[in-house]
Amino acid sequence: QKEVEQDPGPLSVPEGAIVSLNCTYSNSAFQYFMWYRQYSRKGPELLMYTYSSGNKEDGRFTAQVDKSSKYISLFIRDSQPSDSATYLCAVVAGGFKTIFGAGTRLFVKA
Amino acid sequence: GAVVSQHPSRVICKSGTSVKIECRSLDFQATTMFWYRQFPKQSLMLMATSNEGSKATYEQGVEKDKFLINHASLTLSTLTVTSAHPEDSSFYICSARDTNYGYTFGSGTRLTVV
Repeated sequence: QKEVEQDPGPLSVPEGAIVSLNCTYSNSAFQYFMWYRQYSRKGPELLMYTYSSGNKEDGRFTAQVDKSSKYISLFIRDSQPSDSATYLCAVVAGGFKTIFGAGTRLFVKA
Repeated sequence: GAVVSQHPSRVICKSGTSVKIECRSLDFQATTMFWYRQFPKQSLMLMATSNEGSKATYEQGVEKDKFLINHASLTLSTLTVTSAHPEDSSFYICSARDTNYGYTFGSGTRLTVV
């Protein structure tokens, strides 16, 4: 079993839709959870970071963590074509080692 | 915010030659930097953790003698791919940890070995 599981997609939605991206993780010891966005041929950029269960909002983005289920989500409201990218979830393990999900490719159609 | 500069962004080299990739933290000191490799449509795979002033820690399966990492200062880490072969062609990305446990990534280097 992979430490972080993420559906690679692709996920295609119309502009304005609410997007839900999800990951599961296997180790309850993971404490820090992050979402990155990666455009083609670019390095990932940090979108959201959280370390507690519950929701964290930043503009159109909401990160949700459910530690009891070992489930993390990223919601994008009013999705735009510019949101088209690969979204990677990540967890921080011991020694600050970051483990990434496979990434979900998102396409937002105008 | 924290910025990590990575150079070159793209390099083509002949098989058997060595290539050096630089990763610099521009506005913060990074005692720890990370080097990743990413194949097309796949996720980032950690290759090694680079610690300033000490030897890098390599992940299982990564050849230490092939991927040389030097972290000589608090703002610079380098990855040298020695005796490169076509199978080393990939996208290499560095990252540095900032104080908020966030990781800032460089823009990546696309290596093509011909």
